[in-house]
Amino acid sequence: DQQVKQNSPSLSVQEGRISILNCDYTNSMFDYFLWYKKYPAEGPTFLISISSIKDKNEDGRFTVFLNKSAKHLSLHIVPSQPGDSAVYFCAARILQEGAQKLVFGQGTRLTINP
Amino acid sequence: NAGVMQNPRHLVRRRGQEARLRCSPMKGHSHVYWYRQLPEEGLKFMVYLQKENIIDESGMPKERFSAEFPKEGPSILRIQQVVRGDSAAYFCASSPSGAGYTFGSGTRLTVV
Repeated sequence: DQQVKQNSPSLSVQEGRISILNCDYTNSMFDYFLWYKKYPAEGPTFLISISSIKDKNEDGRFTVFLNKSAKHLSLHIVPSQPGDSAVYFCAARILQEGAQKLVFGQGTRLTINP
Repeated sequence: NAGVMQNPRHLVRRRGQEARLRCSPMKGHSHVYWYRQLPEEGLKFMVYLQKENIIDESGMPKERFSAEFPKEGPSILRIQQVVRGDSAAYFCASSPSGAGYTFGSGTRLTVV
């Protein structure tokens, strides 16, 4: 049961253009959504998050949009830079019986071409 | 201020041996989470622990896997009688209050 899905395993974007990474979820109980970035042989690092009561959060070149009715969120990176090349994971937070945990998508490998 | 420390970074075990993966959370963090990443897959939740307590182990396989977070020392993820399918990257994360995870660099387990 994949509650968080990233349907694009990979994405290739020209340097300077906009990168758009997508994520869909099924569970209405998720209260927070996060994006993590992962380089090879390293752990995921937190990038940006959004509460389920918001529809947009912006931090520099990174903006996350949330469409609750469609159960869809997206991460926009503009302008894209070569250092943005990494695997991006969408994650959703859920509270269950007093414990909270993150449910991750499969990841999207972003490649920024010079 | 050291981050989440995991060791070893790489671990090779023969089928049937035991694997012990260690995680030292960030200073002041009392919540520890273990995730597993199989090749070409996302991160799968395994277990959530606080000091001396297992809070949620719904992602742990029923057999051969166990986890602990003692009062003193690191959290340990233990896999007994490893099989080839256990080969994966195992990530530990910690947080001060159950939110705002910080991940370690992971342990890559290879079963030969």
